[in-house]
Amino acid sequence: GQQVMQIPQYQHVQEGEDFTTYCNSSTTLSNIQWYKQRPGGHPVFLIQLVKSGEVKKQKRLTFQFGEAKKNSSLHITATQTTDVGTYFCAGDLGGYNKLIFGAGTRLAVHP
Amino acid sequence: NAGVTQTPKFRVLKTGQSMTLLCAQDMNHEYMYWYRQDPGMGLRLIHYSVGEGTTAKGEVPDGYNVSRLKKQNFLLGLESAAPSQTSVYFCASSSGQGYLSKNIQYFGAGTRLSVL
Repeated sequence: GQQVMQIPQYQHVQEGEDFTTYCNSSTTLSNIQWYKQRPGGHPVFLIQLVKSGEVKKQKRLTFQFGEAKKNSSLHITATQTTDVGTYFCAGDLGGYNKLIFGAGTRLAVHP
Repeated sequence: NAGVTQTPKFRVLKTGQSMTLLCAQDMNHEYMYWYRQDPGMGLRLIHYSVGEGTTAKGEVPDGYNVSRLKKQNFLLGLESAAPSQTSVYFCASSSGQGYLSKNIQYFGAGTRLSVL
C-alpha cells in the first residue's frame, strides 16, 4: 500500500543548531501537510504544500515540496527549546478522504 | 471554541472489558477519524467517516467498531479489550470541503487507555 517514510526517527541537537526532517512517498502526492506534536500534546497543523517545488517559510521553519511531489522536508534554523516535539508529515493522495502519516521525527533540543 | 473534544481523557480497563470513546466536534466538519499512537509507530488510522451514517476501515481496524449517528459525534468502541490495545487514541476532524483544505485535520487532546 501507499507509504510515507520519514527520517530520522529521532534527532537530538544543541540549542542554536539547525534541524531537518525528510519525508518520502512511494506515490505522487496531491499535497503534503506538516503537523507538530508537543510532548504530552496532540498533533497541530502547521502548513500545507500543494505545488511542485513549493517553498514556504514560517519564521525559522522552511518547508519544501519536491519537484516530483513525492518528497518534502522541514528545516528549522537555529533551534530553540520551544521547538521540542514530534514533527509529522502527512501525504494527501487526492481523491481519498484521508491522509497517510509518516512515523514522525522526534526533536530534542538541549540548552 | 471547543474544536474537537474527546472523553474520557484517561481510562484503565481489565482484559475483556468493553468501553466507548466519544469524540465530539463543533466545527460542522464532514470527516472524522480515529487514530491510535504507539511509541515509534506514529499515527495509525483505525476507522474514519466521511459523513453522518457512514464509516470505513483504516489501517488497523481489528478489535474496534465505530458509529457516526450524528454529524458532530464519532464513537469508537472496544468490545473486548486486550493489552495490545493499550495506546493513546486521537480523534480528528476535517471539513471535507474545498479542494485544498478538505483534509486538513484538527485533533482532540487524546485518550490514554491502559488495558491490564
